[in-house]
Amino acid sequence: EPEVTQTPSHQVTQMGQEVILRCVPISNHLYFYWYRQILGQKVEFLVSFYNNEISEKSEIFDDQFSVERPDGSNFTLKIRSTKLEDSAMYFCASSLAGLSSYEQYFGPGTRLTVT
Amino acid sequence: QKEVEQDPGPLSVPEGAIVSLNCTYSNSAFQYFMWYRQYSRKGPELLMYTYSSGNKEDGRFTAQVDKSSKYISLFIRDSQPSDSATYLCAMTRDDKIIFGKGTRLHILP
Repeated sequence: EPEVTQTPSHQVTQMGQEVILRCVPISNHLYFYWYRQILGQKVEFLVSFYNNEISEKSEIFDDQFSVERPDGSNFTLKIRSTKLEDSAMYFCASSLAGLSSYEQYFGPGTRLTVT
Repeated sequence: QKEVEQDPGPLSVPEGAIVSLNCTYSNSAFQYFMWYRQYSRKGPELLMYTYSSGNKEDGRFTAQVDKSSKYISLFIRDSQPSDSATYLCAMTRDDKIIFGKGTRLHILP
């Protein structure tokens, strides 16, 4: 069964450093998403991406964040100058269609720890 | 008022019992209503989705939506220890999913 994969599973970085979280969505999916979940909090939408551009982003997704689909398979989230409060689980998701976005498939997540 | 409200629990029930999980919401613009299951340190897994008011059944799971009351429920029949997880209600608005905080469920053997 096809699945979304994410690397690394755990990333530790120092405050102020840049990190890149990587995702490989399901191969025939067209819409891609990033969510984050701070420990003990709810899963929060960050950004959606379609046709090589951002289609929607939340207020969390400020100038320190960027997303890219550098090739036909990877989808990345870059966080510039990480802060302590960026520590969270980051989930990538993908879906075949945007309007039926209920059917988003989530990856296992990357746990980001900023020290 | 939060867009989606969900009691975080934990909720502990004996094996074989019927489980009822609920969420309320405030935004009439929500389109699809979903339930996700999330095991510890894993990503959310879609269990069921519904679009209109009413019931939808899938095996031991029944999802119920009442749009007039802005209330959704998930019922689990014949609960098993493997059902122990966090259950997230979620709703779509435009191209994104808005999640509830999740209810931690423990099924006691």
